[in-house]
Amino acid sequence: QKEVEQDPGPLSVPEGAIVSLNCTYSNSAFQYFMWYRQYSRKGPELLMYTYSSGNKEDGRFTAQVDKSSKYISLFIRDSQPSDSATYLCAMTGGSQGNLIFGKGTKLSVKP
Amino acid sequence: GAGVSQSPSNKVTEKGKDVELRCDPISGHTALYWYRQRLGQGLEFLIYFQGNSAPDKSGLPSDRFSAERTGESVSTLTIQRTQQEDSAVYLCASSLQGSSGNIQYFGAGTRLSVL
Repeated sequence: QKEVEQDPGPLSVPEGAIVSLNCTYSNSAFQYFMWYRQYSRKGPELLMYTYSSGNKEDGRFTAQVDKSSKYISLFIRDSQPSDSATYLCAMTGGSQGNLIFGKGTKLSVKP
Repeated sequence: GAGVSQSPSNKVTEKGKDVELRCDPISGHTALYWYRQRLGQGLEFLIYFQGNSAPDKSGLPSDRFSAERTGESVSTLTIQRTQQEDSAVYLCASSLQGSSGNIQYFGAGTRLSVL
């Protein structure tokens, strides 16, 4: 079993839809959870960051972490064609050191 | 600089040749990371530099891979005797020691093609 599992999709939704992306993980030591967005031929850019369990909201984006289930989610409300990208979850146990990434989910939002 | 800068953006090489990839981190960032991203895959950790500490090389896939960093600035990743399976995007990231949660900022990557 990989440390972080993420459905690679692809996921295609109409503009305005609510999108749900998620990852599961096996290492209970993970405490820092991130979502990165990667456009084609670009580097990943940090979208959301959460420490431990709980929710975090930023505009149309909400990140949720459930440590008891080892499950994290990213919700995108009122999705836009500009949200079309690959979304990567990442996590780590400490405040330094490498991140462990999921494979990424490719999202396409159709106008 | 304003962000993490990587060069070249693209590199095509012949099997067996050596390549050098360069990363210029965000000014003041003490930590620097190299990752590899194969087509359709997530990021695989390669190596991590933190200040003057010995680098964490635990992710390097073989002894053909090595990396250096000069102080807290530029890093080069060297792949010797390249193989076709080395074809990937090589991404560099930097972060500020002591910042909450190890937030890493990425460059655009070097796309390496080994023919």
